[in-house]
Amino acid sequence: DAGVTQSPTHLIKTRGQHVTLRCSPISGHKSVSWYQQVLGQGPQFIFQYYEKEERGRGNFPDRFSARQFPNYSSELNVNALLLGDSALYLCASTGVPPGELFFGEGSRLTVL
Amino acid sequence: TQLLEQSPQFLSIQEGENLTVYCNSSSVFSSLQWYRQEPGEGPVLLVTVVTGGEVKKLKRLTFQFGDARKDSSLHITAAQPGDTGLYLCAGANSGYSTLTFGKGTMLLVSP
Repeated sequence: DAGVTQSPTHLIKTRGQHVTLRCSPISGHKSVSWYQQVLGQGPQFIFQYYEKEERGRGNFPDRFSARQFPNYSSELNVNALLLGDSALYLCASTGVPPGELFFGEGSRLTVL
Repeated sequence: TQLLEQSPQFLSIQEGENLTVYCNSSSVFSSLQWYRQEPGEGPVLLVTVVTGGEVKKLKRLTFQFGDARKDSSLHITAAQPGDTGLYLCAGANSGYSTLTFGKGTMLLVSP
């Protein structure tokens, strides 16, 4: 069975641009969470979605948004990119009831 | 804001040595998880501890949850180069989908 898949794996953007990151959860998992991991730090919680509804939001500006689709895949959008948005963006899925989080390999975003 | 402090931040040892990594918080968590992350990959769950005072063993790894459920430790016996990686502790409250991570301990085990 496929694990959590994320795309793209690497991308480079310039300040002010917009980016969309995609995540497909493990088959049967209905909850998806997004985390930001800056180099040298632990992951920081951005969003959690369950059954297409936002169930949790971390301390991130409104430039960050996300959504979950009927097939439980998810997108993370970041507008007006800043240099400080450069990070590894991790997606994780979990089943019902919530248990272990399974992480994807991440999307590494570099903002120049 | 709940914070998790991990120490040390970086540890470089020789194969065969023992080591302990610490994770401390001023807040109580309903559970605490330990992850290992290798370069270019996402974190992989090693263990979840739930009960204060709980000790769990995973081969050469021993995990302990403090009595007050605010701190935890990871002890590795006879470290091997394959143990190299970033060790992260993460606290969870209700449910498991929202985790508060520490900054991690980068472990390098040399042959």
